Amino acid sequence: DTAVSQTPKYLVTQMGNDKSIKCEQNLGHDTMYWYKQDSKKFLKIMFSYNNKELIINETVPNRFSPKSPDKAHLNLHINSLELGDSAVYFCASSSVSGNTIYFGEGSWLTVV
Amino acid sequence: GESVGLHLPTLSVQEGDNSIINCAYSNSASDYFIWYKQESGKGPQFIIDIRSNMDKRQGQRVTVLLNKTVKHLSLQIAATQPGDSAVYFCAHAMSSNTGKLIFGQGTTLQVKP
Repeated sequence: DTAVSQTPKYLVTQMGNDKSIKCEQNLGHDTMYWYKQDSKKFLKIMFSYNNKELIINETVPNRFSPKSPDKAHLNLHINSLELGDSAVYFCASSSVSGNTIYFGEGSWLTVV
Repeated sequence: GESVGLHLPTLSVQEGDNSIINCAYSNSASDYFIWYKQESGKGPQFIIDIRSNMDKRQGQRVTVLLNKTVKHLSLQIAATQPGDSAVYFCAHAMSSNTGKLIFGQGTTLQVKP
């Protein structure tokens, strides 16, 4: 029943590793997003995809690469993880870019 | 640059009272505003939104007020309940890039029984 679901919920990994977070939405939306929430709870957009096409790419290190195999999925792959990557990553979706954005439950990434 | 901010990091209210959470934004070109509620360990949950052609919009127990003159947004929660305890975020999207929400820092609402 979960509208926007992401896995894993928690991820603890060592510096230098490569990891992926997966996201799926069953709302029939055509736009998906990745947002990052830092330790001070500040939320900022990272990427946005519309029908598998990248439409927003904020100033994010190249180590972060989103991939959208279809419009219901948007995965986030992170290479060479750094301590500063520790954060909560939220996947989200909307029906048309700019309409109400619905968020997933978040993936807590801790880099040690 | 553009920003969205909230006046108070924490707001403490008595159960049953009304809560008012404020937010200021800097970009007069903003045309879409939205409030989210985030409970501990969960993702932001949509509460209510408003477009710049409106001053006020009401939902169930919540009202959003928009004052474009002073670039101020507020969320009013009537008869605050313990379940309203959470962090509340305001955000806006630009008409030139409506898929990109700009978030404020968040206000933690604490409801005292």
